[in-house]
Amino acid sequence: KQEVTQIPAALSVPEGENLVLNCSFTDSAIYNLQWFRQDPGKGLTSLLLIQSSQREQTSGRLNASLDKSSGRSTLYIAASQPGDSATYLCAVRGSQGNLIFGKGTKLSVKP
Amino acid sequence: SQTIHQWPATLVQPVGSPLSLECTVEGTSNPNLYWYRQAAGRGLQLLFYSVGIGQISSEVPQNLSASRPQDRQFILSSKKLLLSDSGFYLCAWNGDGDTEAFFGQGTRLTVV
Repeated sequence: KQEVTQIPAALSVPEGENLVLNCSFTDSAIYNLQWFRQDPGKGLTSLLLIQSSQREQTSGRLNASLDKSSGRSTLYIAASQPGDSATYLCAVRGSQGNLIFGKGTKLSVKP
Repeated sequence: SQTIHQWPATLVQPVGSPLSLECTVEGTSNPNLYWYRQAAGRGLQLLFYSVGIGQISSEVPQNLSASRPQDRQFILSSKKLLLSDSGFYLCAWNGDGDTEAFFGQGTRLTVV
C-alpha cells in the first residue's frame, strides 16, 4: 500500500530565505507526483505536476524534483515571501488513478 | 478551460439529518471524479472515486455514499449524519494517465 510522508510537518523561516520541502513515497510505481498549496479553509491549488518520466519541473520561484527510484521528491522555494505562507501537500498518482497524499508541511514566512 | 464547482461552501447539520453535497466539472468530458475528506491532523482521505457514470468505488466503509448521475456531476450523500462526519470535504477531477488533478474549494461540514 502506497504511503506518502512529508517532512517537516511545520517550518518557519524569515522572508527571503530559500527553502526545501521533502516528500517521500514507498511504492515507486507511480504515474506522476503533484505538489499543491492549501490556504486555511480553502481548496487545493495545483503548483507543479511531475510526470513519472520527468526529473523536475519549474514554475517561477518553485522547482520540484522527482527521484522515482529512491521514492523522493523535493519542492524548492526560492526567495520566500510572506504570501508563500500556506500548507504544501505532496500527492502521488498510482495505477488506480487516485491521488495519495502526505499530511503536508505548514510553512510560515515571517516578514 | 476546465473548472470545478463545489457547493455549499459551509454547512451545519444536526445529527441524524441527511446530507447532499454536489460537485460539477465544466470544460471536459469523462473525467475521473473523487471525494476526499480532510480532518484536522489526519490529512486527506479518499472516500470515493468514479471513472464513469454509475461507476463508484469506495475506499473506506462509512456512513456516506456517492453517486454519479451525469458525466460531470458527482454527489456525496448520507441518510443520517453522525458527529464523526464533520470535516472538510473536497471534490477533485483528473483525466486518465499522466494528467493533472484539480480540486474544488471544499465544503466545511459541521455536524452538531
